Amino acid sequence: DAGVIQSPRHEVTEMGQEVTLRCKPISGHNSLFWYRQTMMRGLELLIYFNNNVPIDDSGMPEDRFSAKMPNASFSTLKIQPSEPRDSAVYFCASSHFPLGNEQFFGPGTRLTVL
Amino acid sequence: SQKIEQNSEALNIQEGKTATLTCNYTNYSPAYLQWYRQDPGRGPVFLLLIRENEKEKRKERLKVTFDTTLKQSLFHITASQPADSATYLCAGLNNAGNMLTFGGGTRLMVKP
Repeated sequence: DAGVIQSPRHEVTEMGQEVTLRCKPISGHNSLFWYRQTMMRGLELLIYFNNNVPIDDSGMPEDRFSAKMPNASFSTLKIQPSEPRDSAVYFCASSHFPLGNEQFFGPGTRLTVL
Repeated sequence: SQKIEQNSEALNIQEGKTATLTCNYTNYSPAYLQWYRQDPGRGPVFLLLIRENEKEKRKERLKVTFDTTLKQSLFHITASQPADSATYLCAGLNNAGNMLTFGGGTRLMVKP
């Protein structure tokens, strides 16, 4: 298995632009997580899906952020409009339910908003 | 609020020594704790999970303890090697059982 796949690996955009991050979880995993990592705040959970259904999105910072999982093999995290404070590394992770199982992280997308 | 705290200062040790990293939790009692390793430019990689009813868990040169009285987990790497240099993250399951809370991580540097 190729592991969790994320694209793009790097994204540089200007403030106000729409950004879409993509994730392909490991085949057979039924839980998917989006995290954001910064030096100041560490690794924060943004949203968690189980069987393609959003279970907890309390970590989504504001309405500018949205996430979808249209099927078991694909998820997107969208930021619109983007702001400089959104600059961070965004990780996608997947696992087998229940939540206690180990999470497999993707390589991350480094987002820079100018 | 539920917190997982790790020493933000880097830990520097000599090759061959035992590295000990600390994870403290406050304002809740996680059912389990997980430890991950993160190398620069990469995502975290799962190492070990320890449940609250387990005192100790081992895997090769790694050992994790869980002390519910001290509200603390210790992560040990014995016979450390320069290849063990990385950031180590502790994560606890929240009370609702629906998300992991990560600590800020501790950077370990093992010098030859």
